[in-house]
Amino acid sequence: DTAVSQTPKYLVTQMGNDKSIKCEQNLGHDTMYWYKQDSKKFLKIMFSYNNKELIINETVPNRFSPKSPDKAHLNLHINSLELGDSAVYFCASSRDRGQFFGPGTRLTVL
Amino acid sequence: AQKITQTQPGMFVQEKEAVTLDCTYDTSDPSYGLFWYKQPSSGEMIFLIYQGSYDQQNATEGRYSLNFQKARKSANLVISASQLGDSAMYFCAMREGPRRDDKIIFGKGTRLHILP
Repeated sequence: DTAVSQTPKYLVTQMGNDKSIKCEQNLGHDTMYWYKQDSKKFLKIMFSYNNKELIINETVPNRFSPKSPDKAHLNLHINSLELGDSAVYFCASSRDRGQFFGPGTRLTVL
Repeated sequence: AQKITQTQPGMFVQEKEAVTLDCTYDTSDPSYGLFWYKQPSSGEMIFLIYQGSYDQQNATEGRYSLNFQKARKSANLVISASQLGDSAMYFCAMREGPRRDDKIIFGKGTRLHILP
């Protein structure tokens, strides 16, 4: 009965590859997000979707493409991975008075 | 200018003492929300407490309370009777605007160490 789940938990890949991270929430929330947490623990929003519609798109390279097939899912596809993409990526979903995070995906680009 | 400032990069506190983690914010929007999250060494982000800008009373959740001083733009987290399991990174965050899909901005965090 996990609220926000992400797969995979760890992802190790070579530079130049394309990879996807999946996120699902069973909380019935309308809004979902992707965040990137760098090695200094700084957490920055990348995207948010409300009911499958893109709401926030921060200055993220267009190699990153979110996709929301329905309001319970928000996936992140990354093309042509670079070393600087190594980070922990968190998915989250929100209600009015709280935002709930998935367990994170630790991406390592070699 | 930073929207969320956490001035304490690290803190050491004796077990069972109360802890105050500082957070100041900057916004001109009258409607906003303030959050605190805990990130233990295992890496997950745990939502602790929320304060709305129009809430009349300070938020409390168990041992956590938020000392909301609107005029000072301050939203300190108070943890009463600290426990070893409270050792973690703590993030203050703000959502500007009334919509739940408005952007949330995080501070840089405070690493709290509880000493036995």
